[in-house]
Amino acid sequence: ETGVTQTPRHLVMGMTNKKSLKCEQHLGHNAMYWYKQSAKKPLELMFVYSLEERVENNSVPSRFSPECPNSSHLFLHLHTLQPEDSALYLCASSQVKGFYTFGSGTRLTVV
Amino acid sequence: KNEVEQSPQNLTAQEGEFITINCSYSVGISALHWLQQHPGGGIVSLFMLSSGKKKHGRLIATINIQEKHSSLHITASHPRDSAVYICAVSGSQGNLIFGKGTKLSVKP
Repeated sequence: ETGVTQTPRHLVMGMTNKKSLKCEQHLGHNAMYWYKQSAKKPLELMFVYSLEERVENNSVPSRFSPECPNSSHLFLHLHTLQPEDSALYLCASSQVKGFYTFGSGTRLTVV
Repeated sequence: KNEVEQSPQNLTAQEGEFITINCSYSVGISALHWLQQHPGGGIVSLFMLSSGKKKHGRLIATINIQEKHSSLHITASHPRDSAVYICAVSGSQGNLIFGKGTKLSVKP
C-alpha cells in the first residue's frame, strides 16, 4: 500500500457505459494527477489538479471528465469510450514539485 | 525525438551483476525522477534528484545537469530487481515527462 488508493483495480466496460475511477490519498499532498499508460508507450499526463484547481488537461478527449472535490479525492468519469481507450490508468499525488506517490492503477478494458 | 530518452530498452543480467540504466533529456528541468514499475502496474518512486548523487540500499542515482544525463545503478543485482525502470523529468509546473522505460530481467 503506497498511500494512494485506486479503485477499481480492473474494469471492463462497454462503449455505451458510464463508469468512474476513484483515487484517494491521505498523505497531505496538494497535487493530484491522472496518467494513462498504453502498451509500449510512455506514461501520458491527462489531468493535473493543484490545490484542487485543474491546471492542465493536456488535450484529453471530452469522454474523460475529471473531478477533484477535495485535496484527498480525485475521480475520472468515463463515458462513451472507445476500444483504443483501453489502458492502465494511474493516479498519483505529490507536494507541488515534490516526490510522487503512485496508486496501483486501474486496468481498463473497453469492449 | 522524445524529450526523455532511456537506454537500453531491454536489459537481461545474471544475478550479482552491476547494472546501469541511462537517461538523457532535452528540456530544462527542476528535478529528475527514477521510478520502478512491477508487473501488474504499480509504480514506486525510487529517487528524485536535481544534482549530484543519491544512494538507497543497492540503488544509486546520479545526474549531470550540464550534460543533461542521469544514470541509475544497481549493485549486486537480484531477481527481485526485475521490473521496468522509468526516468521522468519535472518542469516548472511540477508535472512529469516520462521516458519509455527500461525492462530489466535478472536471471538467477
